[in-house]
Amino acid sequence: DTEVTQTPKHLVMGMTNKKSLKCEQHMGHRAMYWYKQKAKKPPELMFVYSYEKLSINESVPSRFSPECPNSSLLNLHLHALQPEDSALYLCASSQDPSRRQPQHFGDGTRLSIL
Amino acid sequence: AQTVTQSQPEMSVQEAETVTLSCTYDTSESDYYLFWYKQPPSRQMILVIRQEAYKQQNATENRFSVNFQKAAKSFSLKISDSQLGDAAMYFCAYRSTPSLGAMEYGNKLVFGAGTILRVKS
Repeated sequence: DTEVTQTPKHLVMGMTNKKSLKCEQHMGHRAMYWYKQKAKKPPELMFVYSYEKLSINESVPSRFSPECPNSSLLNLHLHALQPEDSALYLCASSQDPSRRQPQHFGDGTRLSIL
Repeated sequence: AQTVTQSQPEMSVQEAETVTLSCTYDTSESDYYLFWYKQPPSRQMILVIRQEAYKQQNATENRFSVNFQKAAKSFSLKISDSQLGDAAMYFCAYRSTPSLGAMEYGNKLVFGAGTILRVKS
């Protein structure tokens, strides 16, 4: 069982829809991440939150909007996505930026854009 | 910028035998972390093993061990007594050491392209 929980597991949406991905962890971690992963490729970092503040945005298009309401929760709001945005979206967390601890990943949300 | 190279797109191993997955990296830093993650078809990224660059001793976790050659910038993963459940995509990853004023960069994982491991029964 993963300690990082992502919902939904699958999402199909049209290009004009608005939806959100959710990620939750209760390990007391203070750094949280969003990754995008295409099939048989490594994950690509999108965003990093440290202590609920956005610390890294890897030049992600504005149609992806992250939000960190509290230390346990990370959302990714989606709007006007393109077919090439279809991918597996992974959330991860780690203890905090200054600790020598690895990232723990969730199971991901499989996103399909029609 | 750091780069991570996995030169083996696919590997196969017979059940109960040993296989080694290769990983090399490029960095100018002296202190960093290296990881091997496993991603089975169930898609969760699972941490297999980690190595801190300042530690000379190679990390070991049950059937998994690494051969860390800092001077050669090599970090290979050895899986002993391979099992069907070991079949997955394996990613090697690099992470910088956080430092004052640049803590956010300590959060970034640089992944290799991955190696698909198939286990034959």
